Amino acid sequence: DAGITQSPRYKITETGRQVTLMCHQTWSHSYMFWYRQDLGHGLRLIYYSAAADITDKGEVPDGYVVSRSKTENFPLTLESATRSQTSVYFCASSESERSEQFFGPGTRLTVL
Amino acid sequence: TQLLEQSPQFLSIQEGENLTVYCNSSSVFSSLQWYRQEPGEGPVLLVTVVTGGEVKKLKRLTFQFGDARKDSSLHITAAQPGDTGLYLCAGESGGGSNYKLTFGKGTLLTVNP
Repeated sequence: DAGITQSPRYKITETGRQVTLMCHQTWSHSYMFWYRQDLGHGLRLIYYSAAADITDKGEVPDGYVVSRSKTENFPLTLESATRSQTSVYFCASSESERSEQFFGPGTRLTVL
Repeated sequence: TQLLEQSPQFLSIQEGENLTVYCNSSSVFSSLQWYRQEPGEGPVLLVTVVTGGEVKKLKRLTFQFGDARKDSSLHITAAQPGDTGLYLCAGESGGGSNYKLTFGKGTLLTVNP
């Protein structure tokens, strides 16, 4: 399907486990972003990528790892999940740094 | 740290009423974006305002950017149940490695039939 997709949509895991959230876009957008959305905090940027093999930290990067070997994919890995990482995670993409960001449907992650 | 304060946090109104939500900051932004987010979905961009004092209209929605580019408002005329959702503002600042998009916490609007 065209657009931006995220998988899984829902995930329950346990403290200490590794979890990878997937993001795929079909527009060949250069920029991709990962945000988390929490009550009381709004949307906060975790990591972003300007192109394949180029990634940079956002506002709240600790505990997360990203990679971007292909333009269309931008996986987010929680190496050792903690309860504070329970959140809704959104991936987004845009043509350039200042152009419109298109958001995926989100992944609701619960860490027990 | 740049902060965007949105008010009110929650708003519940009847169909046909008018409403205004606000997005305020002590920081200057190069532009201000407004998004609407529906339950279970990601935010969708509604409009970007760039010039201080700018007013943009999108059907029944009117967006205004403050003269000093620190605040913005969204006015909805004759609200409809389809307007229900979380309204987020986001301010752009910096450029290159310093580029930043700062989001407010949102206003949750419920329009009752």
